[in-house]
Amino acid sequence: AQSVTQLGSHVSVSEGALVLLRCNYSSSVPPYLFWYVQYPNQGLQLLLKYTTGATLVKGINGFEAEFKKSETSFHLTKPSAHMSDAAEYFCAVTKYSSASKIIFGSGTRLSIRP
Amino acid sequence: NAGVTQTPKFQVLKTGQSMTLQCAQDMNHNSMYWYRQDPGMGLRLIYYSASEGTTDKGEVPNGYNVSRLNKREFSLRLESAAPSQTSVYFCASRPPLAVRTDTQYFGPGTRLTVL
Repeated sequence: AQSVTQLGSHVSVSEGALVLLRCNYSSSVPPYLFWYVQYPNQGLQLLLKYTTGATLVKGINGFEAEFKKSETSFHLTKPSAHMSDAAEYFCAVTKYSSASKIIFGSGTRLSIRP
Repeated sequence: NAGVTQTPKFQVLKTGQSMTLQCAQDMNHNSMYWYRQDPGMGLRLIYYSASEGTTDKGEVPNGYNVSRLNKREFSLRLESAAPSQTSVYFCASRPPLAVRTDTQYFGPGTRLTVL
């Protein structure tokens, strides 16, 4: 079975500071990993994904994440937070299959202080 | 392309009433999904459909039924709504592996309140 744990339901950082959102996964097979962002009253948008190959993946809006198999982690980072980054972020895991379920974490709400 | 569309955007029901949430995608995707989103619980999968004519239960299927009417449409039905079903419901679709984008595309959501 696959699962995702996001550490911290709410993270607050100052504008310009480093953003770090934590995600650990559990998977019996090599996972596909995703980060999604949800702005208020909107659906989810894909930020970035890891499937195979390079373990450091870059996404939209300056975000990146590193797949660390030894730590079963896929933490999301951004060097310098912007006010527009305030949103809810979801980590998700699935396996390589035509219609596998995608399992989401419980989400982390990111707030940016001026 | 409109992507994934959902109707209605908002709905208020009384306990015991029934309704169907509609979802359609115009991207020729095989797989479609229904999730509910509740505060602090992330997205939980209700049902999914790997292809036209097939459906499977997710984590929280009780109280719901689904129909994969055709490749484009995947509806979610609440036969007898309960207050515990107050939530935001998201539909999503996913392209076949051959496309190799391997992500899900989400609709804008339906906010359902059951009184």
